[in-house]
Amino acid sequence: DADVTQTPRNRITKTGKRIMLECSQTKGHDRMYWYRQDPGLGLRLIYYSFDVKDINKGEISDGYSVSRQAQAKFSLSLESAIPNQTALYFCATSALGQGKAGELFFGEGSRLTVL
Amino acid sequence: RKEVEQDPGPFNVPEGATVAFNCTYSNSASQSFFWYRQDCRKEPKLLMSVYSSGNEDGRFTAQLNRASQYISLLIRDSKLSDSATYLCVVDLTGGGNKLTFGTGTQLKVEL
Repeated sequence: DADVTQTPRNRITKTGKRIMLECSQTKGHDRMYWYRQDPGLGLRLIYYSFDVKDINKGEISDGYSVSRQAQAKFSLSLESAIPNQTALYFCATSALGQGKAGELFFGEGSRLTVL
Repeated sequence: RKEVEQDPGPFNVPEGATVAFNCTYSNSASQSFFWYRQDCRKEPKLLMSVYSSGNEDGRFTAQLNRASQYISLLIRDSKLSDSATYLCVVDLTGGGNKLTFGTGTQLKVEL
C-alpha cells in the first residue's frame, strides 16, 4: 500500500462545482503539502501544514482552501471550480526536524479536469 | 527571471552516453538543493540531495556552484531506465518550508 494516498485519482467536474481532494499518509510525518503541476510550469505550492493547527498559504492559494483534520489527513477543496484549475494535484509529506526537510514523499497524484 | 530555471530539453542520448543537466537559481542565500526524478504521469521522487562539496551516487553526480548559482546533475553510462524528467528543487528560504521546483529537464535514452 502507498504511504501517501490521494483520492480521487481522477475527477472530471463542471465549472462552479465544489471539489474535495483528500490525502492520507501512514509515514507519521508532521508536514503535509498540496502542489499542482501544469505543463511548462512545474510544481507550484498551494498550501502547506506543519501540524494539525497550522495552515499556511503557498504561492497560488487563491481559489483553494485546505483542512488538516488529523496528523495523517490533509484535504484540499475547490469551492467553485473553474477551468484553469484543471491540473495534476499532488499531496506530499516530509519529516520535521530530522535534517531531511527537503525530502518530500508524494502521493500518486489526482488528475482534475474542470469543464 | 524564474527563481529556479532548467532547460526543458528533451535531451535525446544513446544508451551508454554521459549527459549533464544544469539548473540555475535566483537567490544567493539558498541553502538546500535537490534533484528529483519524475517518470511520465507519476509522482516525483527524490534522486539525490546536492551538497556543497559535491556528491556521487553510483552513476549520478551532483555538484553545486554557489558563485554562479547553479547546480548540476551528471549521469554516466546512461540506461534506458534513466529516461524521465529531472526536477531541480531549491529551498530558497533555508527553512525547509518553501521548496521551489524547476519545470524539469526531460531525458530520453535511446538504443
